[in-house]
Amino acid sequence: DVKVTQSSRYLVKRTGEKVFLECVQDMDHENMFWYRQDPGLGLRLIYFSYDVKMKEKGDIPEGYSVSREKKERFSLILESASTNQTSMYLCASSLEREGTQYFGPGTRLLVL
Amino acid sequence: AQKVTQAQTEISVVEKEDVTLDCVYETRDTTYYLFWYKQPPSGELVFLIRRNSFDEQNEISGRYSWNFQKSTSSFNFTITASQVVDSAVYFCALDPAGGFKTIFGAGTRLFVKA
Repeated sequence: DVKVTQSSRYLVKRTGEKVFLECVQDMDHENMFWYRQDPGLGLRLIYFSYDVKMKEKGDIPEGYSVSREKKERFSLILESASTNQTSMYLCASSLEREGTQYFGPGTRLLVL
Repeated sequence: AQKVTQAQTEISVVEKEDVTLDCVYETRDTTYYLFWYKQPPSGELVFLIRRNSFDEQNEISGRYSWNFQKSTSSFNFTITASQVVDSAVYFCALDPAGGFKTIFGAGTRLFVKA
């Protein structure tokens, strides 16, 4: 079974803090994704990566950056957290370009 | 523009009722993929089905069935004899061929009451 893990289930940060969200997958998948989920908006793609050190912007990259130094790990970074970044963050991985995505349990981030 | 619309925000049914979740999509691509995912209260999205645009056969998997109609750009999901464990948020998603940018609908929250 594919396993995608995220470093925290719940996180509380203050405005202006730098926040790191970590995601690890154990199935040697090439592709990894970061989404945010907000009520009524579904999932929106922040960034994705199709190879180590390769990254592409998704639909809402502003205020975020990512890092993929190893194939199994994809980190989402909020350089200076703001209250409008309070959300559920979901990480996913896939083997194929248009393939099934396997999701982690999510990190619920509250920025005060 | 590519878009997925799940017009039903919330549906509430009583156990053993059948329920259909609607999904309408927009795309100009001729090749694309459609998905359904389930998000139970635990939060982790779980894959249910993937269908490519050239395969319009309906699919049945146990109590779940999917009706894909290109003519109406719809990919509806039916749960037969619903159970309390079916309570979740269900997402329909569209993946354009050759791309990584999956488009998700807003989701439909299903409540199944005992």
